[in-house]
Amino acid sequence: GAGVSQTPSNKVTEKGKYVELRCDPISGHTALYWYRQSLGQGPEFLIYFQGTGAADDSGLPNDRFFAVRPEGSVSTLKIQRTERGDSAVYLCASSLGGGGAETQYFGPGTRLLVL
Amino acid sequence: GDSVTQMEGPVTLSEEAFLTINCTYTATGYPSLFWYVQYPGEGLQLLLKATKADDKGSNKGFEATYRKETTSFHLEKGSVQVSDSAVYFCALNAAGNNRLAFGKGNQVVVIP
Repeated sequence: GAGVSQTPSNKVTEKGKYVELRCDPISGHTALYWYRQSLGQGPEFLIYFQGTGAADDSGLPNDRFFAVRPEGSVSTLKIQRTERGDSAVYLCASSLGGGGAETQYFGPGTRLLVL
Repeated sequence: GDSVTQMEGPVTLSEEAFLTINCTYTATGYPSLFWYVQYPGEGLQLLLKATKADDKGSNKGFEATYRKETTSFHLEKGSVQVSDSAVYFCALNAAGNNRLAFGKGNQVVVIP
């Protein structure tokens, strides 16, 4: 079956611009997660959705970052006024129900480069 | 806070050698523990997991045992292949949370 998909696979933008990154989770998965991975580091948690609501957004670094999941399926991560430090690979994952022991299935990521 | 520490530096070894990657953790309560692997050009995928103390996770010849007394979850494989070359990440999901905390990862290079 289809896994988690993310678009675009690569995004180059200029400092100060606005970007949107999209995630399509595995069908039927109610839990969706966003992570950010900088070069040479492990992924860092950004936000967790259970259904349509953001159950935990404690990992968002500042108010330039925002994410939505209006119909409980596709999610969009939005970054305003991008900075060079936002350059990273943004990973999306989904799991069936959201329990801590569940396997999270990751997408291939969106590589964001802010010039 | 919850955190995972992996041994420093890449690991280079010959085919059929024994592999160990150390992982220790700090967490409140009883976390679930995971090893994820990232093969060249591919996304993160689960290798194995253990959800309670003394559980052993295993897959593709890899094993890791959840040791609460030493707060460790070391990854081992008895005889590596060139195809095992990848980056390996240890991760935990603390009880009551729904987020993974990852270590920095270890690059493993297996030479023929």
